[in-house]
Amino acid sequence: GAVVSQHPSWVICKSGTSVKIECRSLDFQATTMFWYRQFPKQSLMLMATSNEGSKATYEQGVEKDKFLINHASLTLSTLTVTSAHPEDSSFYICSARERRGNTGELFFGEGSRLTVL
Amino acid sequence: DAKTTQPPSMDCAEGRAANLPCNHSTISGNEYVYWYRQIHSQGPQYIIHGLKNNETNEMASLIITEDRKSSTLILPHATLRDTAVYYCIVSSSSGYALNFGKGTSLLVTP
Repeated sequence: GAVVSQHPSWVICKSGTSVKIECRSLDFQATTMFWYRQFPKQSLMLMATSNEGSKATYEQGVEKDKFLINHASLTLSTLTVTSAHPEDSSFYICSARERRGNTGELFFGEGSRLTVL
Repeated sequence: DAKTTQPPSMDCAEGRAANLPCNHSTISGNEYVYWYRQIHSQGPQYIIHGLKNNETNEMASLIITEDRKSSTLILPHATLRDTAVYYCIVSSSSGYALNFGKGTSLLVTP
């Protein structure tokens, strides 16, 4: 199946700093990518939908100024956690579907574990 | 998207078939049933999906009842590496993101 790659797979940062996480579709073009967050022992929660060439759509309760999403190309979306705090420590996962309206599978990255000290 | 109900946990002996049930009684006509699994500290892995016919691939079989109100994921010969949380998700054909519930934590034992 198609491959979605995330980088970095884990990152530790100090409180107040910003962290960027990259999500790449390696062998297909993704007009839409999705960002999820997962806290320990909980399920994945959708944060935002990233559309190539346009602004991201955020789920209710997700601060768009804190979680900056950029989808500048058909194979790359980035999530920047700005002014990170310990409560932002989580497992961040991106996903992509190959074509708009495709009802096939959604491919997921390996996840990026963020720890804010 | 319709809501799904899954048992929180299940055990299965290695080599036996693992049958994971999912209830989606409010599913509508254009909604698909997707199954994913998540091994600890990894991203979810796609398993299979279907609309109304039963489906089979190299990983599993998906049995959907005639009224589409429930389905069963079958891992024919479970191995220890199948230990994971299994998510049953219902989503419409026009939807893009998948909304995850709590899933079923499957433990495959030797």
